[in-house]
Formats: sequence, structure tokens, C-alpha cells
Amino acid sequence: DIVMTQTPLSSPVTLGQPASISCRSSQSLVHSDGNTYLSWLQQRPGQPPRLLIYKISNRFSGVPDRFSGSGAGTDFTLKISRVEAEDVGVYYCMQATQFPLTFGGGTKVEIK
Amino acid sequence: QVQLQESGPGLVKPSETLSLTCTVSGGSISSYYWSWIRQTPGKGLEWIGYIYYSGTTNYNPSLKSRVTISVDTSENQFSLKLSSVTAADTAVYYCARSYTNSGNYCGAFDYWGQGTLVTVSS
Repeated sequence: DIVMTQTPLSSPVTLGQPASISCRSSQSLVHSDGNTYLSWLQQRPGQPPRLLIYKISNRFSGVPDRFSGSGAGTDFTLKISRVEAEDVGVYYCMQATQFPLTFGGGTKVEIK
Repeated sequence: QVQLQESGPGLVKPSETLSLTCTVSGGSISSYYWSWIRQTPGKGLEWIGYIYYSGTTNYNPSLKSRVTISVDTSENQFSLKLSSVTAADTAVYYCARSYTNSGNYCGAFDYWGQGTLVTVSS
């Protein structure tokens, strides 16, 4: 299985300041079709996960443009340009390049 | 707006079979892949498996011997059965839809159910 490792575990951020989350995979996520199936999800307290970013850097419908994704191969980053109160929650990366699909352990974003 | 809703018993005895159904509303179950995913405080998010509307399945090898996912297109539902459960199967179970963009697979889940907590205990 591909292991997804996220850092940091927790990220206390001041409102209006940026936040960055790293996700590293145990092997390349480049699929034989040329795509890299790395997505990011947000889970607010008491809610199911919500899709933010797919295929590394594509924002899903309705996702604010303060969220951006980047990376390649085995190293990926989710950035929030200016954290707002509604961004509090746990963020997960997920790979769908190889079965079984696997998730990172999560990074908790909280307000300082 | 597509909505998914999990239903089923919240308490299952050890060694018995966990059965859940996901009802899809606001859209057709056809032409999509549908997954079951579970979440525990200890192991985090774990993909259980998917079913295509045509009936093709793919299961996580770690659960494959105990999992069956089926689909009922006439009812716009798909279901999960997990046999021989133990306390380790206690989790919040989610159903989710695989996202496609203009018919292209995107390797992500765009719609999720609210989740249902299943506790395995005697």
C-alpha cells in the first residue's frame, strides 16, 4: 500500500496568516495515464470530509481561491493564503493512483 | 444537489455481519463509482471498496475476505456487508461518490454522506 505522511500534525495559525501542509507519499503518485491522483480534503468538526483540491492543484467547485495545491511525484503541499475562522478543522491528503486508495493521517488547523 | 445518506444498525455484535445502505438522492447512481470509507480515531480514514453502477467491485485487500458491496440501481442505493466483525470494526462509516469531470476520472470523492457510527459490542 502507498503510505501517505502528513506534516505537521497540528498547525496553530493566526487569523489572516498563511498556513501550509505537507504530504509525502511512499512512492510516486504518477499514474500510467500521466495523471497524478492526489487530492486534499477538509473535515470540519462533526462533519464529513469535503473535497478541496483534486489532481494536485485543481480547486473543486465552490472552494475559495485562498486554497491552493502544488507538488509532483511524491511531495505535495496544500496552502491557505489567509486563514479564516471557518478553515478550522483537519485536512487530509489522499492518493487514488494505486489501489487500495489511502489517506494521510491528517493535519489539524487551529486558530492561535 | 446530490445527497448521500447512510442507514443501518448502529450496534452490531461481535462475529456478526455489519450491513449498511447508502441512498443516493438528487442524482442517478448510474455512470459513477461509489465507495465505502470508514474513520476511526486510531486508524484514521480507510477506504473499504467501491462499486460501479454496473456491479464491478474493487475492495481493500485488508478487508477483502469479509466485504461485499452491492448496488440496486432501481432503488438508487448501494450497500455494504462486512462479516465476522470485531471491536476493531467500530467506526464511522461513510459512503461517497467518485468525482468525474466531463466524464473523466479525477481520483477524488466529491459527495459524502454524513456518516453513521457503527459500534461492535456484545
